[in-house]
Amino acid sequence: QAVVTQPSSLSASPGASASLTCTLRSGINVDTYKIYWFQQKPGSPPRFLLKYKSDSDKRQGSGVPSRFSGSKDASANAGILLISGLQSEDEADYYCMIWHNSAYWVFGGGTKLTVL
Amino acid sequence: QVQLVQSGAEVKMPGASMKVSCKASGYTFTNYDINWVRQAAGQGLEWMGWMSPNSGDTGYAQKFQGRITLTRDTSISTAYMELTSLTSEDTALYYCARNPPRTGDFDFWGQGALVTVSS
Repeated sequence: QAVVTQPSSLSASPGASASLTCTLRSGINVDTYKIYWFQQKPGSPPRFLLKYKSDSDKRQGSGVPSRFSGSKDASANAGILLISGLQSEDEADYYCMIWHNSAYWVFGGGTKLTVL
Repeated sequence: QVQLVQSGAEVKMPGASMKVSCKASGYTFTNYDINWVRQAAGQGLEWMGWMSPNSGDTGYAQKFQGRITLTRDTSISTAYMELTSLTSEDTALYYCARNPPRTGDFDFWGQGALVTVSS
């Protein structure tokens, strides 16, 4: 079982909100992790969006709009990237990442967000 | 402005080695770690390893242990990633990215270096 799992795709309408999940493997408690989120558009390197551990421990990337926010769903053992007021320019691949076993970074497989 | 400029595209034979460079500018090179991430065509991101340009300390993904070496030349603010015993599975776009030490804020990325492994 992968350390971090993301749904492969998600579709949402312009103006709506999209909730992208990053589920940690059973036995890895999401409460103890900072979840990092990146956006990647075709032909470009990834862009750091934000990191979230708790409401008191979070950081927005430089120039990232506030309609991108992080949270957690402890019951699902998942980190969440919420994008509100979806715009066509938000169509991209989104990756989460954690620092695992105090030794290495692990990316989720990525979610392709379609805005239609 | 902060920039990470990587070396150009390469074609390598199976079994050969590759060495990609990542030249930093616009900031103090030794104040940020450098990570290496690769992406095969149409696939996701795969973290390979990190290096502290300040201390030279490194950490590698288990998958690449024994095949990867990260080095740096602080006199020219350049980081290097060497990968040996290449196979077609190593065909990918290789990125360097900087981050403040002990964080995952990969806030600036290189443009990527395409390495194709083919006979």
